Amino acid sequence: EPEVTQTPSHQVTQMGQEVILRCVPISNHLYFYWYRQILGQKVEFLVSFYNNEISEKSEIFDDQFSVERPDGSNFTLKIRSTKLEDSAMYFCASSDRPGMNTEAFFGQGTRLTVV
Amino acid sequence: KNQVEQSPQSLIILEGKNCTLQCNYTVSPFSNLRWYKQDTGRGPVSLTIMTFSENTKSNGRYTATLDADTKQSSLHITASQLSDSASYICVVSQSCMLTFGGGTRLMVKP
Repeated sequence: EPEVTQTPSHQVTQMGQEVILRCVPISNHLYFYWYRQILGQKVEFLVSFYNNEISEKSEIFDDQFSVERPDGSNFTLKIRSTKLEDSAMYFCASSDRPGMNTEAFFGQGTRLTVV
Repeated sequence: KNQVEQSPQSLIILEGKNCTLQCNYTVSPFSNLRWYKQDTGRGPVSLTIMTFSENTKSNGRYTATLDADTKQSSLHITASQLSDSASYICVVSQSCMLTFGGGTRLMVKP
């Protein structure tokens, strides 16, 4: 069964360092998303991406964050200068149509720990 | 402010018993309401998706209801199994954005 895959599963980085989280969405999907979940808190929307551009982003997604689809298969989230409060589980999701009534498939997540 | 509130926060039931989880939302405009199951440390997995015109949808032992007038939804789990132990998250969709509830942590004991 097709699935969204994320790498690495766990990343530890020092405060101030740049980090890139990688996702391979389901192959025929066109809409991509990043979410994060701080330990013990709700899952929060970060950004949606379609046709090589951001379609929506939340207030969390500030200038420290960027997304890219560098080739036909990968979808990345970059955090330029990590802060302690960026420590969270980051989930990538993809869907074959926009959010209206279509299922978004989530990856297993990358646990980011900023020390 | 768009919000999704769930109750109870946690629930312990015995294997084989039924349970009902509640969700209230204030998200507007509303596209659809979803219930997800999330195992600890894993990504959410979709159980049901309902549009505002649907008031019930089943997926095996899971049955979701939706009252779009009162902005309430419930997830009923029948004949619970140990593997049902997880967080159940109510999610409301607006176009490309999903607003998540805090989840109900369900523990099924033998």
